Amino acid sequence: EVKLLESGGGLVQPGGSLRLSCAASGFSFRNYAITWFRQAPGKGLEWVSTIGSGGADTYHADSVTGRFTISRDNSKGTLSLQMNSLRAEDTAVYFCARDTGLSYFDYWGQGTLVTVSS
Amino acid sequence: IVLTQSPATLSLSPGERATLSCRASQSLGSYLAWYQQKPGQAPRLLIYDASNRATGIPARFSGSGSGTDFTLTISSLEPEDFAVYYCQQRSNWPRLTFGGGTKVEIK
Repeated sequence: EVKLLESGGGLVQPGGSLRLSCAASGFSFRNYAITWFRQAPGKGLEWVSTIGSGGADTYHADSVTGRFTISRDNSKGTLSLQMNSLRAEDTAVYFCARDTGLSYFDYWGQGTLVTVSS
Repeated sequence: IVLTQSPATLSLSPGERATLSCRASQSLGSYLAWYQQKPGQAPRLLIYDASNRATGIPARFSGSGSGTDFTLTISSLEPEDFAVYYCQQRSNWPRLTFGGGTKVEIK
């Protein structure tokens, strides 16, 4: 069974840092690109960052470029999102999702909540 | 690319037909997907490349359209279909975008 499990969310002050993790199981992790999305409370979905299957190719939304870094460890089946200089507008549930290969997403984690507030 | 979904809310009864619209600010070809999201859950892929059902999706869900106008149709609403539906484009990869969502609620 394919599973994605996010962790690392929590309450952080503006300007602070947080590292999210996504643990994958049930499929050949190294063969799939993975993407982080987020959803602010009561709002729609927003693309955040994407990493290619090998880890060399990374892409970030303009809203997080220079502050967030996506990475992966294919030997451990894990994905990370390092978030620095956090702002109130980064408050959201963060989901990791598996790319079907066509930039659509067939498996998602349950999400982890990040709250940026003083 | 901006995706505009309409209506924002659709109030229907079980057994009725639901027609959801997604309009793009520029042509997407057929590079559009639809997702269903229930409260407290992650999105679920329903349709990809405008008209292809994802694995395990019931036949009552269908997608159509190309270019800038797309439609998701649920032929006969089941109780479990009441949820929020989002469209997503991949034409401007990697800058993926979603529509604002349509909530299908019980009338």
